Amino acid sequence: GDSVTQMEGPVTLSEEAFLTINCTYTATGYPSLFWYVQYPGEGLQLLLKATKADDKGSNKGFEATYRKETTSFHLEKGSVQVSDSAVYFCALVSGNTPLVFGKGTRLSVIA
Amino acid sequence: DAGVTQSPTHLIKTRGQQVTLRCSPISGHKSVSWYQQVLGQGPQFIFQYYEKEERGRGNFPDRFSARQFPNYSSELNVNALLLGDSALYLCASSLMGPSNTEAFFGQGTRLTVV
Repeated sequence: GDSVTQMEGPVTLSEEAFLTINCTYTATGYPSLFWYVQYPGEGLQLLLKATKADDKGSNKGFEATYRKETTSFHLEKGSVQVSDSAVYFCALVSGNTPLVFGKGTRLSVIA
Repeated sequence: DAGVTQSPTHLIKTRGQQVTLRCSPISGHKSVSWYQQVLGQGPQFIFQYYEKEERGRGNFPDRFSARQFPNYSSELNVNALLLGDSALYLCASSLMGPSNTEAFFGQGTRLTVV
């Protein structure tokens, strides 16, 4: 079945450092790909998405490119802030299937 | 506009009891999905309802059931609670059917089974 694999955390960075969180997927067909963020004590918020190969999703300085050839959707940000500390989930949906999530990567940014 | 609202936010139940969780979708959204998020894991799909009909079910036992009402709100019921049912239960609403392309999540209900 469909699946998503994320790099394991936690990831700890200093403020203004460059962030990469790796995500690869396995899916039949042509999935849409998502990054969700979960701040402490809250639900999930959609951060960005891409619906076809080579699309780049971006929001709040974060970006990710849908790479069909490597089945990847890595999340990047050029300069992280303390307020970016959260858990990040990569997810996909394919056809009529529900969202399939990775296990999440906890990011801690220290001042 | 109100987002997805879930109630209660927290609750504590004893093993063997039954629990009902509630979700109100965003106005105009006709699809509601339920997910279970165990600590340290990603959300796992439980149910999806669209236009008051069940459109998908995840790999959960029959102790889990759900329904969607004419106003598109939804309830998730769990019978005979086990310690392992302790989790954050998330509701997501989307405008259209099962594709879930634009799913918006509520804050979740934190269930603790003791």
